[in-house]
Amino acid sequence: EAQVTQNPRYLITVTGKKLTVTCSQNMNHEYMSWYRQDPGLGLRQIYYSMNVEVTDKGDVPEGYKVSRKEKRNFPLILESPSPNQTSLYFCASSSSGTALRDTQYFGPGTRLTVL
Amino acid sequence: TQLLEQSPQFLSIQEGENLTVYCNSSSVFSSLQWYRQEPGEGPVLLVTVVTGGEVKKLKRLTFQFGDARKDSSLHITAAQPGDTGLYLCAANSWDTGNQFYFGTGTSLTVIP
Repeated sequence: EAQVTQNPRYLITVTGKKLTVTCSQNMNHEYMSWYRQDPGLGLRQIYYSMNVEVTDKGDVPEGYKVSRKEKRNFPLILESPSPNQTSLYFCASSSSGTALRDTQYFGPGTRLTVL
Repeated sequence: TQLLEQSPQFLSIQEGENLTVYCNSSSVFSSLQWYRQEPGEGPVLLVTVVTGGEVKKLKRLTFQFGDARKDSSLHITAAQPGDTGLYLCAANSWDTGNQFYFGTGTSLTVIP
């Protein structure tokens, strides 16, 4: 089954404790992206990647890191989480990322709480 | 920076009524998409519009891209409880390349 998987689905942590949220897709997609969703703000793009070893900042990259060492994986790293990073996070992928003409497939989301 | 403004933010209607959701911006877009998101899940693509003035229909849903490519609307005819969800528009412009922007969302509740 074609899908985007994220782990963990739920995470409660404390300020300053490094964490990684994993994202994997099995569709051989070139484009992958991370978003955060907050009430009243919709989804905001954190980082995206056009292909292996190619990553770019989205609208809200501060406090986050990403890497794209393999085509299928795109982990999101929070080196020193803070309470304002409490949010619902989504990973997404699309076949080519050619502008906005491809379908983005979203993972099920990771709900992160930083105390 | 909120590139896309959606209205209304919340909408509660009776089954069988019609409704329209709007997505507006001051930017010109190369294309625009509409997604629906249900609680506990990620957004799912409904439609992509790419030509100014384009109208697309998906059963009871009608999507329109503005002539100037700055706005879009989603019209639902005879709403059903299964239409309940969060509706999101998404776009990018020639200025932003492959960076995507989502609207603030419209939360629709259809009451049986």
